[in-house]
Amino acid sequence: SQQGEEDPQALSIQEGENATMNCSYKTSINNLQWYRQNSGRGLVHLILIRSNEREKHSGRLRVTLDTSKKSSSLLITASRAADTASYFCASSNDYKLSFGAGTTVTVRA
Amino acid sequence: KAGVTQTPRYLIKTRGQQVTLSCSPISGHRSVSWYQQTPGQGLQFLFEYFSETQRNKGNFPGRFSGRQFSNSRSEMNVSTLELGDSALYLCASSLGQDRNTQYFGPGTRLTVL
Repeated sequence: SQQGEEDPQALSIQEGENATMNCSYKTSINNLQWYRQNSGRGLVHLILIRSNEREKHSGRLRVTLDTSKKSSSLLITASRAADTASYFCASSNDYKLSFGAGTTVTVRA
Repeated sequence: KAGVTQTPRYLIKTRGQQVTLSCSPISGHRSVSWYQQTPGQGLQFLFEYFSETQRNKGNFPGRFSGRQFSNSRSEMNVSTLELGDSALYLCASSLGQDRNTQYFGPGTRLTVL
């Protein structure tokens, strides 16, 4: 079973809109990482936020981390059709990643 | 730098057989981790190796084993295959510290008939 939950499970948006997904985890973490997966392929690393950071930006991505609530959010701004994928958060601790169930994002043209 | 490579990419086996999957990490990376992805259980951690030593292990039966070689390449083996072992097996490499990013390979799709 997975260590965390992601919300929502699925998201459908229009191109140009923003997409926000949330993630919760259960234990203490070293850092939290977000990944993208296209159609059952390998995971592509998007962004890493350390446990002592609260917010981080990378291009059109914005990640927040609230360690008191054991939660994180990923915002993708100005979405494109190429952003259609599944997004996973993964909490890192003790040399392993514990993944959430993922959010499937569909960007409509 | 070349990314993480996994071989083979696809594999079909029958119940009771065994299988060996291979993973070559990014050059300079000394840690290799393995994950299993299934529709029902999602992404689950199998084990992690650093400098040929297993540092952490997930909750999988002893039929799942792994090893790492001196050049950091890793193999995982599954013996006595069961239908439920059908999955995408992903390996990831990192520099080896707990705070490092893990970079994933394309995966090996194993189908057990």
